[in-house]
Amino acid sequence: NAGVTQTPKFRILKIGQSMTLQCTQDMNHNYMYWYRQDPGMGLKLIYYSVGAGITDKGEVPNGYNVSRSTTEDFPLRLELAAPSQTSVYFCASSSGTVYGYTFGSGTRLTVV
Amino acid sequence: LAKTTQPISMDSYEGQEVNITCSHNNIATNDYITWYQQFPSQGPRFIIQGYKTKVTNEVASLFIPADRKSSTLSLPRVSLSDTAVYYCLVGDPWGSARQLTFGSGTQLTVLP
Repeated sequence: NAGVTQTPKFRILKIGQSMTLQCTQDMNHNYMYWYRQDPGMGLKLIYYSVGAGITDKGEVPNGYNVSRSTTEDFPLRLELAAPSQTSVYFCASSSGTVYGYTFGSGTRLTVV
Repeated sequence: LAKTTQPISMDSYEGQEVNITCSHNNIATNDYITWYQQFPSQGPRFIIQGYKTKVTNEVASLFIPADRKSSTLSLPRVSLSDTAVYYCLVGDPWGSARQLTFGSGTQLTVLP
């Protein structure tokens, strides 16, 4: 039972490059989320999804895009990476907020 | 949106009971209170959730007074491994994910 799996764990990007952060969950959760966490700070919601084909912006969506073609997968796309996107990215899923979120182990991204 | 206020940091000794209080003065009728624990380089982990009075599980207890304007997470007999950041979230489980914001949390340090 893997839970929420994120890949890669670490990545260094050059300014202007693009990449996709992968997130997969095997718990058949309808809700999925992407957060970023800057050093010493709390988590900020980037995008979320309430089911396949449905996504919505969170608090800090600029510079990111998401898609949700299946229940299991919720990739996060970074276009034209900027140093301000250096952060740790966490994916999470839930069957409904009342049951709490299950988080992945995170992707540490550095943009240089 | 219900905002929360927590102490920035707390110190305790092994074997003691630790109580972390969260203030949420403008909590709404449908809002639940959820606590997460986060270790360095890991995603947050769901600890406990409640609506009113007292909730207990194998890890912690959550005390919520009648007016629900605050809540207290109680960790019995802490050990060094309980050193982590603890987040208090308040929100409607059936509402938008945008409402659930992670603040800076409380850094709990357990000393030997």
